[in-house]
Amino acid sequence: DSGVTQTPKHLITATGQRVTLRCSPRSGDLSVYWYQQSLDQGLQFLIQYYNGEERAKGNILERFSAQQFPDLHSELNLSSLELGDSALYFCASSVGLAPATDTQYFGPGTRLTVL
Amino acid sequence: AQSVSQHNHHVILSEAASLELGCNYSYGGTVNLFWYVQYPGQHLQLLLKYFSGDPLVKGIKGFEAEFIKSKFSFNLRKPSVQWSDTAEYFCAVIPGYSSASKIIFGSGTRLSIRP
Repeated sequence: DSGVTQTPKHLITATGQRVTLRCSPRSGDLSVYWYQQSLDQGLQFLIQYYNGEERAKGNILERFSAQQFPDLHSELNLSSLELGDSALYFCASSVGLAPATDTQYFGPGTRLTVL
Repeated sequence: AQSVSQHNHHVILSEAASLELGCNYSYGGTVNLFWYVQYPGQHLQLLLKYFSGDPLVKGIKGFEAEFIKSKFSFNLRKPSVQWSDTAEYFCAVIPGYSSASKIIFGSGTRLSIRP
């Protein structure tokens, strides 16, 4: 157990819908990262937040957005869902803001299925 | 564009065999290198990482990796694998030391160990 929690574990929804994925970082960690793992794209970095502020953006679609709240939990919002958005969405947390030097601890993931 | 290549998609070995998983990256500057493991049904875990110093890095569970700068490689090795090493292994690179540096993952290598 990494100490990072994600809810829900599984989510099944229809195309065009909007969903919210939730991540709670390890106690004391200020950074939250979001990743998408799919069969065709592999594991891709989406976005990083540090202490409530956006720090770095990866291959995140405009239909996706995220935020980090004062209690440091983070939510990833996915809208206008398409079949290709079906994937495993991971979050990770770390103490500091530098992914180059801070070890990231990954959550168990949310499996999103878009029908 | 920066990329990470893992040559083997699926490796099948017998217990006690030696393991080497290849990883090459395309970035000419300073790099931070990682190997992550994902056991079946579990979250990603860090196996080992390289930032600087001794290019031979030792990680958890008897794994090690060697950074060869001239070959842009960071291959993962284990002298004698066990059935419990069955998992997916991901090589990852963070180019540079900027706090906004983004992690790039390889496509992963699935390791199956025959008991």
